[in-house]
Amino acid sequence: NAGVTQTPKFRVLKTGQSMTLLCAQDMNHEYMYWYRQDPGMGLRLIHYSVGEGTTAKGEVPDGYNVSRLKKQNFLLGLESAAPSQTSVYFCASRRPGTGRFYNEQFFGPGTRLTVL
Amino acid sequence: SQQGEEDPQALSIQEGENATMNCSYKTSINNLQWYRQNSGRGLVHLILIRSNEREKHSGRLRVTLDTSKKSSSLLITASRAADTASYFCATDETGGAQKLVFGQGTRLTINP
Repeated sequence: NAGVTQTPKFRVLKTGQSMTLLCAQDMNHEYMYWYRQDPGMGLRLIHYSVGEGTTAKGEVPDGYNVSRLKKQNFLLGLESAAPSQTSVYFCASRRPGTGRFYNEQFFGPGTRLTVL
Repeated sequence: SQQGEEDPQALSIQEGENATMNCSYKTSINNLQWYRQNSGRGLVHLILIRSNEREKHSGRLRVTLDTSKKSSSLLITASRAADTASYFCATDETGGAQKLVFGQGTRLTINP
């Protein structure tokens, strides 16, 4: 199993350009997440999905859109990139489970995005 | 908002010594998890402790949870150079949506 994969690994954009980050998982997980990681800020949740066809906003959703058309894929879109979106983006997935049965998240290797 | 706050922000010790990192959080939780991140890589799950547990072991890792103080600690015994990484705590809040809230992490350096 490949686990969680992310493409691309690196990308440089100019302000105003758009792009889509792809996350794929082969573990049949229901839940998927997009985070961004900035120096000294830890991970902040952008959007997440609890199943195919459903998405929800996280802590920092502005400027991003997501889609979960297939269970194994979770796409993160930047419609008009801004320098403030320069960050490392991580995707994660996990099996269902709530409360005390919450399970661990599995992370992808990350996408390093620079917006000039 | 950051739920967990790790302490210290950075820790440097000699190989073979024990490393202790602390995490404090603000709201009621269902469980608390610790993750490791090697430089330039994704996060890897280390251990999960549920709100009704007080201590948990996994190999050289020992995690404690004190829900009355809203704090947790991660102890790595007999540290190795390969333990050099950033360590994050993450909490799943009771009544919250299906998501984790991460702290800012502790950067651990093991000197040979």
